[in-house]
Amino acid sequence: DTGVSQDPRHKITKRGQNVTFRCDPISEHNRLYWYRQTLGQGPEFLTYFQNEAQLEKSRLLSDRFSAERPKGSFSTLEIQRTEQGDSAMYLCASSLANGGADEKLFFGSGTQLSVL
Amino acid sequence: AQSVSQHNHHVILSEAASLELGCNYSYGGTVNLFWYVQYPGQHLQLLLKYFSGDPLVKGIKGFEAEFIKSKFSFNLRKPSVQWSDTAEYFCAVNAQGSARQLTFGSGTQLTVLP
Repeated sequence: DTGVSQDPRHKITKRGQNVTFRCDPISEHNRLYWYRQTLGQGPEFLTYFQNEAQLEKSRLLSDRFSAERPKGSFSTLEIQRTEQGDSAMYLCASSLANGGADEKLFFGSGTQLSVL
Repeated sequence: AQSVSQHNHHVILSEAASLELGCNYSYGGTVNLFWYVQYPGQHLQLLLKYFSGDPLVKGIKGFEAEFIKSKFSFNLRKPSVQWSDTAEYFCAVNAQGSARQLTFGSGTQLTVLP
């Protein structure tokens, strides 16, 4: 499968624990996005990278959240001291941005986080 | 900041019925508009998009959408739905020339009865 892959598919954790998710984008894609989706809602933007640089962060991304893309390839999203309100599907998407307006995002299947 | 409204949360149709899903956005500038689809158990996929030019855009699987700038709308249509169109449909918008983030609507669950 040459699409966007995310690991793990499901994560159950206790409140207060730290969790880390991984996203492997399509290999030639230079942009990588993180979104969060809760039940009954559409995905909400969290942050995005152009190569290894984190260029934009949503106000939804509190200090407990940190994302990295150290070599411009895979990315990790860490949540520290998880809270029940963090329970959601975390989606990763990637794209090949070439300066034009025609940017197409490819989404992964997501990581479903449940905080007990 | 932009916002997107999808007023129909759940639509149930019989096969061969015509489909129209509403999408309205709020933003003062020029936007790009998208419809994404999520089939059961699968990831989000792009159905169609509008950047500029002809306001009637055609996507995959016989879907089309019309951008009406005066109404801030981008409704999705299909003349005759199939059982395989059962999925959740999301409208999304981003501002041209600035932030790359997509703002999604809350989605419409379409159920097509055989």
